[in-house]
Amino acid sequence: NAGVTQTPKFQVLKTGQSMTLQCAQDMNHNSMYWYRQDPGMGLRLIYYSASEGTTDKGEVPNGYNVSRLNKREFSLRLESAAPSQTSVYFCASSEFGWGTRSSTDTQYFGPGTRLTVL
Amino acid sequence: KQEVTQIPAALSVPEGENLVLNCSFTDSAIYNLQWFRQDPGKGLTSLLLIQSSQREQTSGRLNASLDKSSGRSTLYIAASQPGDSATYLCAVCAGANSKLTFGKGITLSVRP
Repeated sequence: NAGVTQTPKFQVLKTGQSMTLQCAQDMNHNSMYWYRQDPGMGLRLIYYSASEGTTDKGEVPNGYNVSRLNKREFSLRLESAAPSQTSVYFCASSEFGWGTRSSTDTQYFGPGTRLTVL
Repeated sequence: KQEVTQIPAALSVPEGENLVLNCSFTDSAIYNLQWFRQDPGKGLTSLLLIQSSQREQTSGRLNASLDKSSGRSTLYIAASQPGDSATYLCAVCAGANSKLTFGKGITLSVRP
């Protein structure tokens, strides 16, 4: 099992350019998440998807869009990149899905995408 | 709004020392508390998960405790090794869909 994979690993954009970050998991998990990690700010949730076909905003959704293409894949799109979006982006997945409150569910993280917006 | 605090932000200890990493949270209505490890330039790896009904969990040299009423958790690392050097993050799950609120982490350096 590859677990959670992310592409690309590194990316440099100019202000105003667009790009899509790809994430896939092979654990048949229901929920998937996108986070950004910034120095001094910790990990912050951008969007999550608790089941195929559903997405919801997290703590910092502005400037981003997501798409849950199928159960395996969850992509994050920056339509018009800004320097404030320079960050490390992590995708994660967990077993349980919409409306489930599990006390044993944990998240599995991908290796991250390091994005710089000039 | 749930807030998770980890202090200090960084810690340096000599090899072999037993150490405790602290985590505090503001809302005691949680489903579980989790400790993660992050190596430089890598993603997060789950270390331990403590359900709200449990007091502690152990894995090898790691022991995590949970005191919901006081909003605190500790991660105990026995006989620290240089390979334990990493950032340790605490996260609480307090809502549906397994959403987590993370602390900012403690960067641990174990000196040979």
